[in-house]
Amino acid sequence: QVTLKESGPALVKPTQTLTLTCTFSGFSLTTSGMRATWIRQPPGKALEWLARIDWDDRKYYSSSTSLKTRLTISKDTSKNQVVLTMTNMDPVDTATYYCARSSIAARPYVFDIWGQGTMVTVSS
Amino acid sequence: DIQMTQSPSSLSASVGDRVTITCRASQSISSYLNWYQQKPGKAPSLLIYAASSLQSGVPSRFSGSGSGTDFTLTISGLQPEDFATYCCQQGFSTPPTFGQGTRLEIK
Repeated sequence: QVTLKESGPALVKPTQTLTLTCTFSGFSLTTSGMRATWIRQPPGKALEWLARIDWDDRKYYSSSTSLKTRLTISKDTSKNQVVLTMTNMDPVDTATYYCARSSIAARPYVFDIWGQGTMVTVSS
Repeated sequence: DIQMTQSPSSLSASVGDRVTITCRASQSISSYLNWYQQKPGKAPSLLIYAASSLQSGVPSRFSGSGSGTDFTLTISGLQPEDFATYCCQQGFSTPPTFGQGTRLEIK
């Protein structure tokens, strides 16, 4: 059974750095074609893709000017974890953050399994 | 970035009804279109990928069609558990982008 679970602080202050960890099981990020992605959803709003990391360590980031210089994605295959860091947090970054898996090699953006999400509030 | 526009934004229907939700891309995305279902307080769940391929375990009352810029999700014979929000997502280019969602409510 494939599962993913996000963890991290529920509350961060403006200007702080957010570090989120996705711990997964049931698959390996060393397997060709496997990818992990972070997606967020502000309350009552649409989903927004943030970053992706592939089995071969290729990384892709949001093109948003307000995000792309603030995001870093990495993986620790020995721990089955993917980590997202987001610097200089702002109240507009308040959202539920999800990690998701993609397993179809030719379709890197089919998110077939999602974590339960973790709500992050940015407030002083 | 490719913009995804869904219609309607909300929809009321009854158990047993057939409903159709439309998604339009701002440029051609071939068949790189996915549909997700999201219930309140829960993560999205993949229903359809590649415009018309049913994800394993998803009931056959869900179907998808379209290519290029125009796509539809159809639910034939609504069940009580189908009342949720549905969103489309393009996977043609980076960054992948999502529609704003269609909320399906009980009439």
